[in-house]
Amino acid sequence: AQSVTQLGSHVSVSEGALVLLRCNYSSSVPPYLFWYVQYPNQGLQLLLKYTSAATLVKGINGFEAEFKKSETSFHLTKPSAHMSDAAEYFCAVSDHGTGTASKLTFGTGTRLQVTL
Amino acid sequence: DAMVIQNPRYQVTQFGKPVTLSCSQTLNHNVMYWYQQKSSQAPKLLFHYYDKDFNNEADTPDNFQSRRPNTSFCFLDIRSPGLGDAAMYLCATGNKWTSGIFAYNEQFFGPGTRLTVL
Repeated sequence: AQSVTQLGSHVSVSEGALVLLRCNYSSSVPPYLFWYVQYPNQGLQLLLKYTSAATLVKGINGFEAEFKKSETSFHLTKPSAHMSDAAEYFCAVSDHGTGTASKLTFGTGTRLQVTL
Repeated sequence: DAMVIQNPRYQVTQFGKPVTLSCSQTLNHNVMYWYQQKSSQAPKLLFHYYDKDFNNEADTPDNFQSRRPNTSFCFLDIRSPGLGDAAMYLCATGNKWTSGIFAYNEQFFGPGTRLTVL
């Protein structure tokens, strides 16, 4: 079975500071990993994904994540936080869809607060 | 723009009164998913369709049903809503990507329907 663990249910950073949201995964096969962002009363928007190509993945809104197999991690970073980054962030791992469709297993989420 | 649409965005129903939530897509994806998300929790998969094939999660209550009359539309029916069913319901579609011998579906989410049960 696959799983992801997000360390820190709440993270607070100052505007302009580095954003680091942590995600560790567990998977018996090469994982497909995703980061989604959710604004209040909205659906989930894909930030970026890792699908066994480049280990450093760049996404939208200036976010990026690095896949580190040795650490089983896929942490999300952004060099400089903006007020508009305040949202809930979910890390997810996909199974390989060897039956019908693949499914996502989500972490518990990290709420990012950005302060002035 | 191609998208996933959910109607209504906000739904209020009474305890025990059946309710239907709607999802439509213009992406022409063959997979559609329904998730339940309670406050401050991760989305929980209820079921999904792969074309017309319905796949129920083992722990999805019988109170939840779904219909997919065609590729574009999918409905979530809650036969007798209880107070515990108040949540955000998210619809997603999936397109298939292949990497080596494995395949996965990248999921595209709608804006959700927030259900209140009185």
